[in-house]
Amino acid sequence: EVHLVESGGGLVQPGGSLRLSCAASGFTFSTSSMNWVRQAPGKGLEWLSYISGTSNTIYYADSVKGRLSISRDNAKNSLYLELNNLRAEDTGVYYCAREEVATTRWFLDNWGQGILVTVSS
Amino acid sequence: DIHMTQSPSSLSASVGDRVTISCRANQSISNHLNWYQQKPGKAPKVLIYAASTLQSGVPSRFSGSGSGTDFTLTISSLQPEDFATYYCQQSYSVPPKTFGQGTKVEIK
Repeated sequence: EVHLVESGGGLVQPGGSLRLSCAASGFTFSTSSMNWVRQAPGKGLEWLSYISGTSNTIYYADSVKGRLSISRDNAKNSLYLELNNLRAEDTGVYYCAREEVATTRWFLDNWGQGILVTVSS
Repeated sequence: DIHMTQSPSSLSASVGDRVTISCRANQSISNHLNWYQQKPGKAPKVLIYAASTLQSGVPSRFSGSGSGTDFTLTISSLQPEDFATYYCQQSYSVPPKTFGQGTKVEIK
C-alpha cells in the first residue's frame, strides 16, 4: 500500500525558512515523480512544485519561484521542500503527492495526510 | 498559463439528486483533465483522469466527460458520502499544474 507521510511543519516566523519532508513507502519511489501542493485555510488547492524520479526535471509555480526548492533522496525514499522568506500567505496545509501516468495522462494518485505550516510572529 | 474555471462555486443538493459540475479551460487541453474529491480535513482523492477514465475503486455513479475546453463531472445519484469539494486539474501544459477553484457540494 502506498504511504506518504509529511513532517516538519509548525509555527514559523515571517521571514524565516522551513523544510518539509515526505517519507514514502509501499512503492518504487525512485521511479515516481512527486509533487507538492498546498491549501491555504478555507481556500482551494495550489500546485507548488514537481520533481521527476531522477531529479532531472523540476518545475515551480510562479508564486513561489525563487523561494522554494524541491529535492529528493531516493536512497531514503524521501521528498523535501524548502521554502524561504516566509510570508503570512504561505500559511496552509502542505501535501506531497505521487504522480501516476496512465495512457500517457498523468494525475496525482496518492497524497499524504498533509502538514500544517503557520507563518506568524 | 492555462487557467481553469469551475462552476458553480457551490451547490446544494439532496441525496439521490443528479449533480453536474463544470470546468472550463482558457485554451484547448484535449482530454488532459483530472477530477479530485476532497472532504473536510482530508487529502484530495483522484476520481477521474483523462477527462473520463474512472480511477480504480471509484464508484460508477461518478463520470466525466468533455474535451477541448469544456468538461463535466457528473454524480448520477448523490450519496451522503459525496458531500465534499471537487476540483478539476489540467495536465496538458505544465508548469503550472493548474487546479480549478473548487466546487463545494452541500446538503440541501
